[in-house]
Amino acid sequence: DTGVSQDPRHKITKRGQNVTFRCDPISEHNRLYWYRQTLGQGPEFLTYFQNEAQLEKSRLLSDRFSAERPKGSFSTLEIQRTEQGDSAMYLCASSLALQLQETQYFGPGTRLLVL
Amino acid sequence: EDKVVQSPLSLVVHEGDTVTLNCSYEVTNFRSLLWYKQEKKAPTFLFMLTSSGIEKKSGRLSSILDKKELFSILNITATQTGDSAIYLCAVKNNAGNMLTFGGGTRLMVKP
Repeated sequence: DTGVSQDPRHKITKRGQNVTFRCDPISEHNRLYWYRQTLGQGPEFLTYFQNEAQLEKSRLLSDRFSAERPKGSFSTLEIQRTEQGDSAMYLCASSLALQLQETQYFGPGTRLLVL
Repeated sequence: EDKVVQSPLSLVVHEGDTVTLNCSYEVTNFRSLLWYKQEKKAPTFLFMLTSSGIEKKSGRLSSILDKKELFSILNITATQTGDSAIYLCAVKNNAGNMLTFGGGTRLMVKP
């Protein structure tokens, strides 16, 4: 399978704990995105990387959230001191930066439940 | 701030029916509009539209963009139960690479 993969697929944690999610993009893709999706809503942009550089961050990305892409390949998203409002599906997408036809391909997501 | 509104919120049809899903948007420096299908997990890409009036088609699905009236439609003809999903519309502007999504239309196709 050469698509975007995410791990874990599901995570249940207690409020106040830290969690970390991993995303492996499609191998030749140089851009990697993180989105959050809550029930009944469309995905909301969190942040994106071009190679290892984090180029955009949403206002949704509070200081409890940090994302890295240290070698320009896989990425991790860490949430510190989780809150119940962090419960959501965290989606990763990747793309190859082409001038007009760039398309983001999504992974299966990590569903987080904070108790 | 870019905004995308999809209608209807949900739709129930029977197999064989034709459906039209709507997406209207407000975007500063519009670049493209994308349609995705989301079943239980990852949104899967359907179409990217950048030019007005040019229909994109894939099997029973087609889509068109009107940049003057700021909307797009997604048509599905001869619907099948496998078309049941949430259909997401998203836009991209020229200032960045993020997608701004609408809330989606939940389509249920009954046998």
